[in-house]
Amino acid sequence: GIQVEQSPPDLILQEGANSTLRCNFSDSVNNLQWFHQNPWGQLINLFYIPSGTKQNGRLSATTVATERYSLLYISSSQTTDSGVYFCAVVRTSGSRLTFGEGTQLTVNP
Amino acid sequence: NAGVTQTPKFQVLKTGQSMTLQCAQDMNHEYMSWYRQDPGMGLRLIHYSVGAGITDQGEVPNGYNVSRSTTEDFPLRLLSAAPSQTSVYFCASSYSPGRSSYNEQFFGPGTRLTVL
Repeated sequence: GIQVEQSPPDLILQEGANSTLRCNFSDSVNNLQWFHQNPWGQLINLFYIPSGTKQNGRLSATTVATERYSLLYISSSQTTDSGVYFCAVVRTSGSRLTFGEGTQLTVNP
Repeated sequence: NAGVTQTPKFQVLKTGQSMTLQCAQDMNHEYMSWYRQDPGMGLRLIHYSVGAGITDQGEVPNGYNVSRSTTEDFPLRLLSAAPSQTSVYFCASSYSPGRSSYNEQFFGPGTRLTVL
């Protein structure tokens, strides 16, 4: 099956700092999503981004499908950004959403 | 729209008991799926369905059954609960990846299951 690797596995920031999270995948995809799992366990959709660039407030994401990676940018981080960020993909001609192991982000005040 | 709903939110079972986790969506999505998440890990696919009457196994199907009699509902049955099934269970739905170029998946709030 398709492999999804996220880096870094853990990230600790001071409030106000910027960060970049990376997702590498091993095959062509027709779906790539970024999720934030908050401390209460909820999975929140951040971006649906099989290709291109999107922005939503302080967050933005870029997927370069031909090079099989996606980046999630968090600017001016806040304590409420803490949690686990997951990348998940669906291989082209497939249907299963495959998750990476996640990046645990801690933002300290 | 309520989106994807799951019941119950929490459940404690004894080894050998059976139960059904409920999942419903009101977005007219063909594709529905069940995942489990163990501590410190990503989500793993248990079973999925591409439409009413059609189900298939995912990555970790053993010990679970599903059926899809309507578009809206996709229950997950634990036949004889085991401690290894202690986990958080998420249901998700989307338009069918085979029929739509837009197949963003939406997740329910999860069910936290403990098997003693």
